[in-house]
Formats: sequence, C-alpha cells, structure tokens
Amino acid sequence: DIQMTQSPSSLSASVGDRVTITCQATQDITNSLNWYQQKPGKAPKLLIYDASNLKTGVPSRFSGSGSGTDFTFTINSLQPEDIGTYYCQQYDDLLRTFGQGTKLQIK
Amino acid sequence: EVQLVESGGGLVQPGGSLRLSCAASGFPFSSYWMHWVRQAPGKGLVWVSRIDTDGNSKTYADSVKGRFTISRDNAKNTVYLQMNSLRAEDTAVYYCAKLGSGTSNFDSWGQGTLVTVSS
Repeated sequence: DIQMTQSPSSLSASVGDRVTITCQATQDITNSLNWYQQKPGKAPKLLIYDASNLKTGVPSRFSGSGSGTDFTFTINSLQPEDIGTYYCQQYDDLLRTFGQGTKLQIK
Repeated sequence: EVQLVESGGGLVQPGGSLRLSCAASGFPFSSYWMHWVRQAPGKGLVWVSRIDTDGNSKTYADSVKGRFTISRDNAKNTVYLQMNSLRAEDTAVYYCAKLGSGTSNFDSWGQGTLVTVSS
C-alpha cells in the first residue's frame, strides 16, 4: 500500500502569511494527488486535483505542485476563513490513502 | 443538486454488526463508482472501501477486509456498508463519497453517520 506522510501536523500563521504543507508518498505516484480542506463537523471539500489543478470556484491563493513522491500545497496570503484541516490523498493505487492531515490555525 | 445521505449509524457492542446506507440523488447513480471513507473522533480521514458501477468489483482497506462488505442497489440509488465483527477502533464518522465525472477526486460527500463501538 502507498503511505502518505504529511507535514506539519499543525501550524499557526498570521493573516496574510504564506503557508506551505508538504506530502510525501512512499512510491512514485506521478501526479495522482488531491488536496482537501475540512472544517470542523463538515465533510471535506476538494481544492486541488491532479497535484496542481485548482478546482473551479476555489480562490486562486490556493495552489499545489509536485510530482513523483514529493508534493506541496500552498496558501498565498492566508485568510481567516482558511482555518481548518488539510489533507492530501493519492489515487495512484486501488487502495486510496490520505495523509494524516495538517490543522491550520490563525495566530 | 448532488445529494448523498448516510444513515444506519449508532451504538453497537464489540463483535456486533451494523449496516450503513447512503442514499444518492441528483446524478446518474448507476454510472458512478462509490466509496466509503471514515474518520475516528479527532483523527484523520481513512479510505475504507469502493465499489464499481454494477457491484462486481470491490476493494477494501486492509483494516476492514474480511469484516466489511460494500454493496449497492442501483434501482434504489443506494450504496451499503455491512460491518461485522466490529471493534472499538471502528468507531468513526462514516462518509460515503463519489468521484467527479471522469476524475479521480471525491467531488461530493455525504454528511456522515457516526458509528460507536463500545460496551
């Protein structure tokens, strides 16, 4: 099975900061990676698909990059509404797996 | 509008069984693979299982293989998760989810149903 290691597990940043989350796969998954945002008590929402494509309607301050085993998710100019937990998820393997999540808070 | 509504959660004793349902509407259900994803309290998302459009191909996470069975009824637009030999570590909110058309991302999720395994 492909394991996804996401870091950091939590982070606190100020409004306007640039925030970066990384995700590493245990084997090459090309660009088979999605990023989701989850707010407390709610289902996750897709933000980025195929590693770097922004879902329609998602603010352009969100972006993703990477391929192979190493991926990065970035929020440029953090906004208060961006608080929540972010997950990467691979779909290269039949057994889909998520990263452990990164809980993002505002300082 | 796509809607996924889970039901069937509740409190069950260790070793017991429960069947979850996910009623779908707003899209051609029989054309989509369906998935179950769970989330233990305060923990991350864990993919559980998936089923193809006609129910012939099923895949499970190692943690539930042999205990859980996914199925679907396309006439009722419903996907099921039969959970047997439940353990405390199966306690979680269970979400059903569908992939976006022609994509490999989960574009729609239900609201989740809570399963608590405890004596």
